[in-house]
Amino acid sequence: DAGVIQSPRHEVTEMGQEVTLRCKPISGHNSLFWYRQTMMRGLELLIYFNNNVPIDDSGMPEDRFSAKMPNASFSTLKIQPSEPRDSAVYFCASSRGQGQPQHFGDGTRLSIL
Amino acid sequence: GENVEQHPSTLSVQEGDSAVIKCTYSDSASNYFPWYKQELGKGPQLIIDIRSNVGEKKDQRIAVTLNKTAKHFSLHITETQPEDSAVYFCAASSNDYKLSFGAGTTVTVRA
Repeated sequence: DAGVIQSPRHEVTEMGQEVTLRCKPISGHNSLFWYRQTMMRGLELLIYFNNNVPIDDSGMPEDRFSAKMPNASFSTLKIQPSEPRDSAVYFCASSRGQGQPQHFGDGTRLSIL
Repeated sequence: GENVEQHPSTLSVQEGDSAVIKCTYSDSASNYFPWYKQELGKGPQLIIDIRSNVGEKKDQRIAVTLNKTAKHFSLHITETQPEDSAVYFCAASSNDYKLSFGAGTTVTVRA
């Protein structure tokens, strides 16, 4: 079975530009998570969706960050405008439901120049 | 919020020896403790997990132990192999979805 699919795998863009990261969760999973990984802060949960509804967005750093889940098989994380300090690896994960193991995609490595 | 501390930050072992990674957590309400393995350029991969109603769990060469009283849990890898080289993360959760991760342990298995 296909795992969590993220695109693009790498993104390099100039500060001020809009960045959109995409995620396709594992089929049948109804919980979706966006994480950010940096050397300084490690792995941090940004936002959690359950049945396409955002449940906890307390980890979203600023209003420049937004996430949507229009259907059960697709989610986006958008940064507008982007800043150099947003450079990180962004992971999407999914699970069958609350309390179930989370399975991660291979991430998007984002560099903001 | 939950605070998870992980030690050591780096670990080098001879092939065939055992590796042990230890984590402590702060929230006594935490009840789910997964361990992830992350290889270069890849996402974290779940390798084993344990819930607070169990003290120990084993899967082939990997085992996890949990001490709720002391609020610490450990990962044990026996008969290490070169493919065990990776970064390992512990995590804890008290609310069924939010994982608080440790800082990671870079394990190197010397051939």
